[in-house]
Amino acid sequence: QVQLVQSGAEVKKPGASLNVSCRASGYTFTNYYIHWVRQAPGQGLDWMGIINPSDGSASYADNFQVRVTMTRDTSTSTVFMELSGLRSEDTAVYYCATTIVPTAMGAFDLWGQGTMVTVSS
Amino acid sequence: EVELTQSPGTLSLSPGERATLSCWASQSVSSSYFAWYQQKPGQAPRLLIYGASSRATGIADRFSGSGSGTDFTLTISRLEPEDSAIYYCQQYGTGFTFGPGTKVDIK
Repeated sequence: QVQLVQSGAEVKKPGASLNVSCRASGYTFTNYYIHWVRQAPGQGLDWMGIINPSDGSASYADNFQVRVTMTRDTSTSTVFMELSGLRSEDTAVYYCATTIVPTAMGAFDLWGQGTMVTVSS
Repeated sequence: EVELTQSPGTLSLSPGERATLSCWASQSVSSSYFAWYQQKPGQAPRLLIYGASSRATGIADRFSGSGSGTDFTLTISRLEPEDSAIYYCQQYGTGFTFGPGTKVDIK
């Protein structure tokens, strides 16, 4: 079925890098942009950036511009989000999301299950 | 950056009552690119409304959205116990931003 499946929970030390994957299935991977959104414990949703799986081009939110890199592997229909220089404030659930239904006009109608990342020494 | 403000922070109502959630944008947003999401504990957000007033697939008709410019509203006409959740507004016309959320508690 149509779904986004993310990699499992991670525990990282401050200063390390994080790599979260999001595998798409049930639809044509290269047809739909994928976003990354994070949610700190008890907090709201924070948009991180967007990647075009077709050509790999990406655009990042100002807050993450320096530390985030989004890539894709078309052979496995997977996008990756790498966040470097981790600090305790990066402890959060990270989601990938996309728009599958064209009439949704870019709203995020398909979400991954989320990946819990804990940054702790 | 377009900032979104939601009110109230928390809404506590009884089953069958009507809930009205508000979202204000710091600058005018195209209603074509405005959405509402519902998030329950431990779950990913779920799209309720897109284009300010169109219900997403499978969303009950007790959920409705309205508004334009800088003022948008989500209405839940007859609350049910399963509507207990946090509701976020989002604009995706100029970048992508979410509001801080409104928590709806069902008494």
